[in-house]
Amino acid sequence: SQTIHQWPATLVQPVGSPLSLECTVEGTSNPNLYWYRQAAGRGLQLLFYSVGIGQISSEVPQNLSASRPQDRQFILSSKKLLLSDSGFYLCAYGQGGGYTFGSGTRLTVV
Amino acid sequence: AQSVTQLGSHVSVSEGALVLLRCNYSSSVPPYLFWYVQYPNQGLQLLLKYTTGATLVKGINGFEAEFKKSETSFHLTKPSAHMSDAAEYFCAVSDRIKAAGNKLTFGGGTRVLVKP
Repeated sequence: SQTIHQWPATLVQPVGSPLSLECTVEGTSNPNLYWYRQAAGRGLQLLFYSVGIGQISSEVPQNLSASRPQDRQFILSSKKLLLSDSGFYLCAYGQGGGYTFGSGTRLTVV
Repeated sequence: AQSVTQLGSHVSVSEGALVLLRCNYSSSVPPYLFWYVQYPNQGLQLLLKYTTGATLVKGINGFEAEFKKSETSFHLTKPSAHMSDAAEYFCAVSDRIKAAGNKLTFGGGTRVLVKP
């Protein structure tokens, strides 16, 4: 069966520190992969998506970057976090026209 | 370009009452439509989806939604609310462009409060 793993579940980081969030998918090949962010009081904002290894599309200009070093691995990174990077980050993979989401990472930048 | 509008960011219902969450969409192609539910500090869980065929779609937890092309709507209903239905609900539309990632566009969400 297909599963998606996202970690860590929570993270508190100081301003200016680096960030790495990891997402892995099992049980499927060549999935479309996505990073979304939910900020307080706002909806779901698509940050990045990937249709294959090394292929990253950015939806909004920002302080973050994404990479896909392996078929089923998707990483969200930042060199220097800003306060505005706080939020709930969700990874998802695409299947049958819809998505399956990971459990999310609550990032608080202090 | 696609868009999704969910009417009402907050809905309060009594336990046992009808739940009705409204969703209208805009899409340049025949849409794939979805409803997701999110419990606090968790990811989104698929409730139901419409792709083709029958316009009345049944999902998990007793929810259903009807695709009405003429009204560009995909409203979510449940005949009798349970306390466990308290959550945030998101409507979404897919662009169905595989090469561009089959991106989903989400509405702003509707938070449901269930009163005993």
